[in-house]
Amino acid sequence: DAKTTQPPSMDCAEGRAANLPCNHSTISGNEYVYWYRQIHSQGPQYIIHGLKNNETNEMASLIITEDRKSSTLILPHATLRDTAVYYCIVRVAKIPGYSTLTFGKGTMLLVSP
Amino acid sequence: DTEVTQTPKHLVMGMTNKKSLKCEQHMGHRAMYWYKQKAKKPPELMFVYSYEKLSINESVPSRFSPECPNSSLLNLHLHALQPEDSALYLCASSPGRTGSTEAFFGQGTRLTVV
Repeated sequence: DAKTTQPPSMDCAEGRAANLPCNHSTISGNEYVYWYRQIHSQGPQYIIHGLKNNETNEMASLIITEDRKSSTLILPHATLRDTAVYYCIVRVAKIPGYSTLTFGKGTMLLVSP
Repeated sequence: DTEVTQTPKHLVMGMTNKKSLKCEQHMGHRAMYWYKQKAKKPPELMFVYSYEKLSINESVPSRFSPECPNSSLLNLHLHALQPEDSALYLCASSPGRTGSTEAFFGQGTRLTVV
């Protein structure tokens, strides 16, 4: 699976958009970009994933560059409850039946009042 | 129901004890995973079960013994652990299809070995 690079930490004011970047310059054509977050002492929570096109759900938007070498997770209106470590993961389902996640160090997002 | 339930939430055990961690999901998922997370580190994969068969063991010491009794349950049996095994143990499940599928995680068991 391709490696990812994320800034170790970011700050965001409550109510503002949080834009979390991720670099995955060695991504292969069949690898998806996944985003998870982990609020302190809880299990990781799935946010969103995409292959080529931009994606949006009730939690966030995912913008993938045309060359797929980087992506940005956007939380449109950050709240204090969005304070968490955000993981960008690139993976491919290698073997039918399961697909593992390799977590990097992630970005610690701190949302402040 | 999109929950993965782990019990117990907290566990303190001595180095000579035998204990088990339990994980349950009722989403019909056919792949289940154990991850270990040390403080201030990302989760690391330990085991993968696919269709109730052990598919991946990431060179985990034999004092950790996984078991998948059926498609909804996953256990992790612990024996003769060391203090450095203290960590958050996370269970996850995914549908088991190829392609793009997300994994759902439980809240974890916080294990302390004394």
